Amino acid sequence: QQQVKQSPQSLIVQKGGISIINCAYENTAFDYFPWYQQFPGKGPALLIAIRPDVSEKKEGRFTISFNKSAKQFSLHIMDSQPGDSATYFCAASGPDSSYKLIFGSGTRLLVRP
Amino acid sequence: NAGVTQTPKFQVLKTGQSMTLQCAQDMNHEYMSWYRQDPGMGLRLIHYSVGAGITDQGEVPNGYNVSRSTTEDFPLRLLSAAPSQTSVYFCASSYSIFGSRAEQYFGPGTRLTVT
Repeated sequence: QQQVKQSPQSLIVQKGGISIINCAYENTAFDYFPWYQQFPGKGPALLIAIRPDVSEKKEGRFTISFNKSAKQFSLHIMDSQPGDSATYFCAASGPDSSYKLIFGSGTRLLVRP
Repeated sequence: NAGVTQTPKFQVLKTGQSMTLQCAQDMNHEYMSWYRQDPGMGLRLIHYSVGAGITDQGEVPNGYNVSRSTTEDFPLRLLSAAPSQTSVYFCASSYSIFGSRAEQYFGPGTRLTVT
């Protein structure tokens, strides 16, 4: 049972373009939705996170859009750069359980120069 | 701060052997978790701890044991290694469950191969 579904599995974007990664969740009790970035051979690192009381959160070139009624959230990377090439994971957790993350399957992003 | 450290970085085991993966953090974080990462499956929670002396099972706990005798250390024990436990293991810690301090910091991982 996959509680957080992530798509696409891989994504190729030209430098300067917009990268969009989507996630859908099933459990309406989830209340914390982080995105992690992982480079080869490294551990995941938090990129940006959102709680369901807001529909959008922006940090620099990274934006999370959140649709509570559709149980979906997405990561938008504006002006994508080759240095953004990495694997991105969405995740979710229940109330007061941010240490028990349920991860999506990951998206491998390649930004071509 | 060293953050979250894990040892060893790589390990090869034979089926049936046991070993302990070490995890330590120097950030005085109460919450610690172990995840395994397998291709196409993201990360899955094995065990977690909400403080010294308190541990509980995650999504895929079978074949693993944990203990938390100090705030800093959270070792993961493989009791009798099986090829299905070939994976990359990540330890993570966080200070709180609220606001920005809920961020989980991940270690660099241990790549384990069981033959």
